[in-house]
Amino acid sequence: QVQLQESGPGLVKPSQTLSLTCTVSGGSISSGGYYWSWIRQHPGKGLEWIGSIYYSGSTYYNPSLKSRVTISVDTSKNQFSLKLSSVTAADTAEYYCARGNIGYCSGGRCYSDDFDIWGQGTMVTVSS
Amino acid sequence: SSELTQDPAVSVALGQTVRITCQGDSLRSYYATWYQQKPGQAPVLVIYGKNNRPSGIPDRFSGSSSGNTASLTITGAQAEDEADYYCNSRDSSGDRLVFGGGTKLTVL
Repeated sequence: QVQLQESGPGLVKPSQTLSLTCTVSGGSISSGGYYWSWIRQHPGKGLEWIGSIYYSGSTYYNPSLKSRVTISVDTSKNQFSLKLSSVTAADTAEYYCARGNIGYCSGGRCYSDDFDIWGQGTMVTVSS
Repeated sequence: SSELTQDPAVSVALGQTVRITCQGDSLRSYYATWYQQKPGQAPVLVIYGKNNRPSGIPDRFSGSSSGNTASLTITGAQAEDEADYYCNSRDSSGDRLVFGGGTKLTVL
């Protein structure tokens, strides 16, 4: 079955760029019409969607983070990546990658996106 | 602040039924998605669409919607259902995915 695994530094200095990679195994990142997402969770807090990308490269970002976020995909490696620039202590969080099904509207009603497979998460601390 | 509002904590006696709610303007248009998260673990999808359960999710979990409120109902709560539950939807503009603040479920 499809599995996701995050990797990257656990400690990033303030003002630097946080870089994480999610490796997809057990299936192709290019198949199935899924989209690939990053979601974070501040310590003891709720979930925050960061952004998503299709294998084609189309991206969708949270407007509150858009100026600092870049998500890219490398289909040859079956990976997608997150870069978050100019980090501060407020970016300290558990970062999850997830496989998503994009929402759609039909018959006067809309169906929200859903994330059916998640990585185990990786904790990133921003500190000097 | 979240555009989806959840009660911070709910409790239920073992074997009883509990409803966890999520309120937001976008829910008048969107069916919410629900996730279960246990301590130290990644969230798990439990309800999506109108009322669909992924493979492996017990049928005691169900979803419903009325007006601006989405509900996750656990019929016959089990000890293993003790967890945080998050609702998720697009916001009213449709451009952003938002999560509720989460509800901590305690099974007594």
